[in-house]
Amino acid sequence: NAGVTQTPKFRVLKTGQSMTLLCAQDMNHEYMYWYRQDPGMGLRLIHYSVGEGTTAKGEVPDGYNVSRLKKQNFLLGLESAAPSQTSVYFCASMAGNQPQHFGDGTRLSIL
Amino acid sequence: KNQVEQSPQSLIILEGKNCTLQCNYTVSPFSNLRWYKQDTGRGPVSLTIMTFSENTKSNGRYTATLDADTKQSSLHITASQLSDSASYICVVNPNTGGFKTIFGAGTRLFVKA
Repeated sequence: NAGVTQTPKFRVLKTGQSMTLLCAQDMNHEYMYWYRQDPGMGLRLIHYSVGEGTTAKGEVPDGYNVSRLKKQNFLLGLESAAPSQTSVYFCASMAGNQPQHFGDGTRLSIL
Repeated sequence: KNQVEQSPQSLIILEGKNCTLQCNYTVSPFSNLRWYKQDTGRGPVSLTIMTFSENTKSNGRYTATLDADTKQSSLHITASQLSDSASYICVVNPNTGGFKTIFGAGTRLFVKA
């Protein structure tokens, strides 16, 4: 049972490039989330999904897009990367009112 | 604005000693409060979860307490081990529906031999 898997683990981009971060969960969870974690700050919610085919904006959605075409996958896209998007990105999934299960993060640097 | 404040920011203790981490929140009411452990380079892992009616919850050497009147929670670690070195994050879920989970910035704990 892999839980929540994020790919890639590390990535370096140049300003203006685009990329997609993939999150996959094998626990059949309905809810999935994308967070960013910056030094000295708590995790901040970027986008979330309450089920296949649905997405919603979180606290800091600007510059990001998401898709949930399949229940097990939640994709986070950066259309035109900016240095301010340098961060560690975490995906999480959850069932009901249970604790969230997190992946191990994607470390993204924008030069 | 709803906030979750944790103290101290960092803490160094000797192996075998006990320690207590603090969490103050302004979220009210709330659905539940959780403590997570985050090892370096890993994602957070749930330690405890408490609803507003619970005062204490234990998970091995970890004991969380909650005072809903003063809006304070603490995480007590007993007989610390080197593997306890990590960040500990306090998380509050407001009772507003949707997904408004609020994360504290964490306390970085270093356990020294």
